[in-house]
Amino acid sequence: DAGVIQSPRHEVTEMGQEVTLRCKPISGHDYLFWYRQTMMRGLELLIYFNNNVPIDDSGMPEDRFSAKMPNASFSTLKIQPSEPRDSAVYFCASSSHGTGDTEAFFGQGTRLTVV
Amino acid sequence: RKEVEQDPGPFNVPEGATVAFNCTYSNSASQSFFWYRQDCRKEPKLLMSVYSSGNEDGRFTAQLNRASQYISLLIRDSKLSDSATYLCVVEDSGYSTLTFGKGTMLLVSP
Repeated sequence: DAGVIQSPRHEVTEMGQEVTLRCKPISGHDYLFWYRQTMMRGLELLIYFNNNVPIDDSGMPEDRFSAKMPNASFSTLKIQPSEPRDSAVYFCASSSHGTGDTEAFFGQGTRLTVV
Repeated sequence: RKEVEQDPGPFNVPEGATVAFNCTYSNSASQSFFWYRQDCRKEPKLLMSVYSSGNEDGRFTAQLNRASQYISLLIRDSKLSDSATYLCVVEDSGYSTLTFGKGTMLLVSP
């Protein structure tokens, strides 16, 4: 398996623009997580899905952020409108049976810069 | 709020040294604990799970103290390739999610 695949790897956009980040989890994994990483706050969980259903989105910073998982092999994280403070590395991760006793596999991340 | 606290470092050590990292966590109900490793500008990867009885994987030893809510990682005979950020990770009890510490940076020099 190729692992968790994220695109794009880098994104530079202007404030106010819509940004869409994409993720393909590992085949067969039931759980998909979106994290954001900054120097100040570290890795923060934004939202996670189980069997394509959003379970907890309490980490989503505000209404400008939305995430979908239309099928088991694809998820998107959208920011509209984007702001400079959204600049961060966004990671998607997947796992089987939750993360209590199984490894979470991360994608290589999308480095977002909002100018 | 769930917290996982780590010394950010950096820890600068020579090759061959032994180095130890610690972290504390706030959720006393947590049952699963891990150390992840993150190389510069890369994604986090699982290094090892942490068990109550302590566990060892080659040069790496992890310990858990539930009473003090404290986790440690010991690296013996440090290699240049051990240079990375080490993330202490705690399962959120009752959920299928993880809380990550901000990480401890290790720099191993020749």
